[in-house]
Amino acid sequence: DQQVKQNSPSLSVQEGRISILNCDYTNSMFDYFLWYKKYPAEGPTFLISISSIKDKNEDGRFTVFLNKSAKHLSLHIVPSQPGDSAVYFCAASGLQGAQKLVFGQGTRLTINP
Amino acid sequence: ETGVTQSPTHLIKTRGQQVTLRCSSQSGHNTVSWYQQALGQGPQFIFQYYREEENGRGNFPPRFSGLQFPNYSSELNVNALELDDSALYLCASSFGGNPALAKNIQYFGAGTRLSVL
Repeated sequence: DQQVKQNSPSLSVQEGRISILNCDYTNSMFDYFLWYKKYPAEGPTFLISISSIKDKNEDGRFTVFLNKSAKHLSLHIVPSQPGDSAVYFCAASGLQGAQKLVFGQGTRLTINP
Repeated sequence: ETGVTQSPTHLIKTRGQQVTLRCSSQSGHNTVSWYQQALGQGPQFIFQYYREEENGRGNFPPRFSGLQFPNYSSELNVNALELDDSALYLCASSFGGNPALAKNIQYFGAGTRLSVL
């Protein structure tokens, strides 16, 4: 039972353009959502998060949007840079406390010069 | 401030053996979570330790066990290794004042790549 889904395994974007990564979840008990970025041979690095009481959170080039009614969140990167090429994971928490994170399968983002 | 460190980085074991993976938390953090990441998948929650007590467990059998020490470092032990245990094992630390309520950011180590032959 995949409670957090990233349906696009890969995404290719031209440098300078907007990258949009999508994530869907099924359990309405999730109340906190995070995006992590992962380079090869490194652990996931926290990027940005959003609480379910908000619908948008912005940090520099990164913006996360949350649509609770659709159980959908997205990460926007503007402008995209070559260093943004990595695997991006969305994660959700809120079930049973304990800060358990439920991850999606990841989306590999490639920024082309 | 040191980040989360894991050892060893790579490990090869044979089926039926036992393995211990180690994790040092980021300075100031009192909570450690362990995740298993199979190839092409997202990390899956194994369990979490808060102040040396297990504080939540995912859908993993009892042969996966852990410890947290007074300095908040942690071990993951896996007994009777199976081929499907081959994966990247990630440790994450965070500061949890009240784990049932806190939504604190988890910071990950680079992981231990375990191969079971």
